[in-house]
Amino acid sequence: KAGVTQTPRYLIKTRGQQVTLSCSPISGHRSVSWYQQTPGQGLQFLFEYFSETQRNKGNFPGRFSGRQFSNSRSEMNVSTLELGDSALYLCASSLQGREPNYGYTFGSGTRLTVV
Amino acid sequence: DAKTTQPNSMESNEEEPVHLPCNHSTISGTDYIHWYRQLPSQGPEYVIHGLTSNVNNRMASLAIAEDRKSSTLILHRATLRDAAVYYCILRDGSGGSNYKLTFGKGTLLTVNP
Repeated sequence: KAGVTQTPRYLIKTRGQQVTLSCSPISGHRSVSWYQQTPGQGLQFLFEYFSETQRNKGNFPGRFSGRQFSNSRSEMNVSTLELGDSALYLCASSLQGREPNYGYTFGSGTRLTVV
Repeated sequence: DAKTTQPNSMESNEEEPVHLPCNHSTISGTDYIHWYRQLPSQGPEYVIHGLTSNVNNRMASLAIAEDRKSSTLILHRATLRDAAVYYCILRDGSGGSNYKLTFGKGTLLTVNP
């Protein structure tokens, strides 16, 4: 079956601009989570969506937002980009998102560079 | 979240077994032990998980100490494709904060040909 698809793979933006990243989860998975990975902070949880509702949010400023559509596809948006937003953004999907005995499937990520 | 401790790095030779340790002395009775790995330029990949008993799958084995304060991920015959960062993560099985994965720094495994 198809895995988690993230688009685009690479993106270069200028400070102050905004960006939208897309994630298509595995068919049948209703939970989509987003993570940011940087060399300094490692992998950090951004937010999680289930049935078009944000259930949980990590410790990131309000410039980071997301949404989920009825087909479970998700987008995340970063407004007023800063240099420190340069990172690999990863999306993960899961059946329900809270099953402790079930693994997440990650996409390959979107590499965002802010110049 | 309960904390895990892993060595920063480990080295192995190709076709030899690799034992990757993880300490989780503050683990609670409902925490599941998960392992993920991240190959270069890819997202993390689920490897295996367990609660109390040892587990085997096609990728690896997970050995859990009797007191559950430590665990070991076992790759039976390392290949060059197993070179990755390996993360040991605890997931709350009580329904509390198990909606996310809390990653530490993991163990960078180098496999020598």
